[in-house]
Amino acid sequence: QKEVEQNSGPLSVPEGAIASLNCTYSDRGSQSFFWYRQYSGKSPELIMFIYSNGDKEDGRFTAQLNKASQYVSLLIRDSQPSDSATYLCAVNKEGAQKLVFGQGTRLTINP
Amino acid sequence: DTAVSQTPKYLVTQMGNDKSIKCEQNLGHDTMYWYKQDSKKFLKIMFSYNNKELIINETVPNRFSPKSPDKAHLNLHINSLELGDSAVYFCASSTWGRGNTIYFGEGSWLTVV
Repeated sequence: QKEVEQNSGPLSVPEGAIASLNCTYSDRGSQSFFWYRQYSGKSPELIMFIYSNGDKEDGRFTAQLNKASQYVSLLIRDSQPSDSATYLCAVNKEGAQKLVFGQGTRLTINP
Repeated sequence: DTAVSQTPKYLVTQMGNDKSIKCEQNLGHDTMYWYKQDSKKFLKIMFSYNNKELIINETVPNRFSPKSPDKAHLNLHINSLELGDSAVYFCASSTWGRGNTIYFGEGSWLTVV
């Protein structure tokens, strides 16, 4: 079982709709959860992090964490073509001082 | 000012050669990393250093040797390059501790021919 799993996609969403990206992780000791966005040919850039169960909102982005189900998700509201990218879920275990990444979900927003 | 900068950005070299990639960060972080992203876009940690001390070595072949002369610099030297080493190598940095938000450099595209 992979430590962090994502559906590789591609996920295609019409402009203006909500894009929903999902991630599961295997280690119950995981403490911190991150979403990175990576445009083609570019480096990953941090979108959001979440530590506690529940929702965390930042502009059009909402991260959701359910530790009991070992599940993290990212919602993008009012999707724009500029949101088209690969979204990487990453997980950190307390004290491990490293991020373990999923394989990424390629998202395409169709105008 | 680029927060995490690495050079060179592109590198094409022949099998068997030795090459280095340099990385510098001006964020004042005490932890630096090398990540490798393969052709399938899977991003995997190779090494991490905290205050010049090696913390993580993720079963990377010993042809790869990182060096951290100070906490703002982390270089990667690769000996006897193989075709399978072709990938994008990302340097990154963070503070030490919970949260561990990692900031990536722009990447170095290595192609071994």
